[in-house]
Amino acid sequence: AQSVTQLDSHVSVSEGTPVLLRCNYSSSYSPSLFWYVQHPNKGLQLLLKYTSAATLVKGINGFEAEFKKSETSFHLTKPSAHMSDAAEYFCVVTRASGSARQLTFGSGTQLTVLP
Amino acid sequence: DAGVIQSPRHEVTEMGQEVTLRCKPISGHNSLFWYRQTMMRGLELLIYFNNNVPIDDSGMPEDRFSAKMPNASFSTLKIQPSEPRDSAVYFCASSLGDRGTGSTDTQYFGPGTRLTVL
Repeated sequence: AQSVTQLDSHVSVSEGTPVLLRCNYSSSYSPSLFWYVQHPNKGLQLLLKYTSAATLVKGINGFEAEFKKSETSFHLTKPSAHMSDAAEYFCVVTRASGSARQLTFGSGTQLTVLP
Repeated sequence: DAGVIQSPRHEVTEMGQEVTLRCKPISGHNSLFWYRQTMMRGLELLIYFNNNVPIDDSGMPEDRFSAKMPNASFSTLKIQPSEPRDSAVYFCASSLGDRGTGSTDTQYFGPGTRLTVL
C-alpha cells in the first residue's frame, strides 16, 4: 500500500524568492518518486524523479528535490521563483519495480508567483 | 517531435450522446495511458496499453467506457452513452519503457480534452 500527501494546496511566493512545495509519502515498498508540473490548459510534464540513486535529484528549470527516507518526504525546492513557474505541481509515488497501475498522484499544489 | 496529440481539445455534448476522444502517442513509444482529471478525484488512471495491447483496464469506471489501440500511432477512448458526471479533462500519455509498462518510466502527457456533458 502507498499514499502521497501534498501538504499545501496553494503556495504563494514573490518572484525571486525561494520555492518550497512539500510532499510526504508512505509506502510498504521501496518507493520511486516524481514531481510533475501542469501549466494552465497543458498536460503534465516531468520535472524530476527519484529511483533509488542519488537522494538529491536535480530537475529541469532549476528545481530539485531531496529524498529523505527517515522523514518520508520528497519536498520540491527552487532557489528563486520566476513568473513562469506559476502552475500546479503534482508529487507522485510508485513502487520502484511495479507497474504503471501503481502510480499514486498527489492532490496537487497550486503555485502562485507574485511580481 | 510534436509530442502527444489529442483531439478534440474541447467537447461539449448532451447526455446520452456518444463521445470519442482521440490520441496520437509520441512516435516510437510503446506504452499509452488514458487518465481522467476532476477537481473531486484528482488524476485517475483509466487504462493503459503496451505494444497496442490493453494491460490494465481496472480504472475504467463502467461499461459505458471503452478504449482501443488499433495500431502504434492511434488510440481512442469512447463513452457511450455519456452522462454529466463524465465531465472532466481526459489526458493521454505515452512512454518508452524497456520493461514495458514500468512504473518508473517517464510519461509524456498530451494537452488533454476538456469534456462537458450537459
